[in-house]
Amino acid sequence: GQNIDQPTEMTATEGAIVQINCTYQTSGFNGLFWYQQHAGEAPTFLSYNVLDGLEEKGRFSSFLSRSKGYSYLLLKELQMKDSASYLCAVLSGGYNKLIFGAGTRLAVHP
Amino acid sequence: GAVVSQHPSWVICKSGTSVKIECRSLDFQATTMFWYRQFPKQSLMLMATSNEGSKATYEQGVEKDKFLINHASLTLSTLTVTSAHPEDSSFYICSARAERGERFYEQYFGPGTRLTVT
Repeated sequence: GQNIDQPTEMTATEGAIVQINCTYQTSGFNGLFWYQQHAGEAPTFLSYNVLDGLEEKGRFSSFLSRSKGYSYLLLKELQMKDSASYLCAVLSGGYNKLIFGAGTRLAVHP
Repeated sequence: GAVVSQHPSWVICKSGTSVKIECRSLDFQATTMFWYRQFPKQSLMLMATSNEGSKATYEQGVEKDKFLINHASLTLSTLTVTSAHPEDSSFYICSARAERGERFYEQYFGPGTRLTVT
């Protein structure tokens, strides 16, 4: 079966660093995505990993270990506007379907 | 960048009526479009995969006769919720996949449609 796990909620302080973990077990793997979603809005693309290692893009970095079925999203220099849900999604299956985790609601406080 | 639009952005309808939601890729051709449903504080659940010119592939548990999907062109897919009931009230989001270029696997999401069935 398909299973993607990530923490339900996290809190962090403005200016700090936070790491959001994601573990997955899926039938087929063609890459892992991280999306940011504010309440009532569509997800916006943050990162895509298909090879092991760290991908850095500004304040956001994403890491993947395919052998461990594990990824994390690292957010640095947190800002209040980073308060949102962060969705881990795996691209799998014959149609390359995106399978989403339940999302992690991040609250950034002053 | 790639832009996907949805219309309407929100709709309120009476129980028993049908509602059509449009999803358009504005500046690229999308051979494949996806329809998701999201309930409050939950993640996106894939409903169906839509390929231009062919029948949609529905996920397990999604009634194809209730959620009619038409992908008539490379830039337009529609989702029709037939005989809507209050439990169909949800946030419906489409996404379109660009088939060329380095972002082959990237899906671009529409802004979503909030459906409320009274």
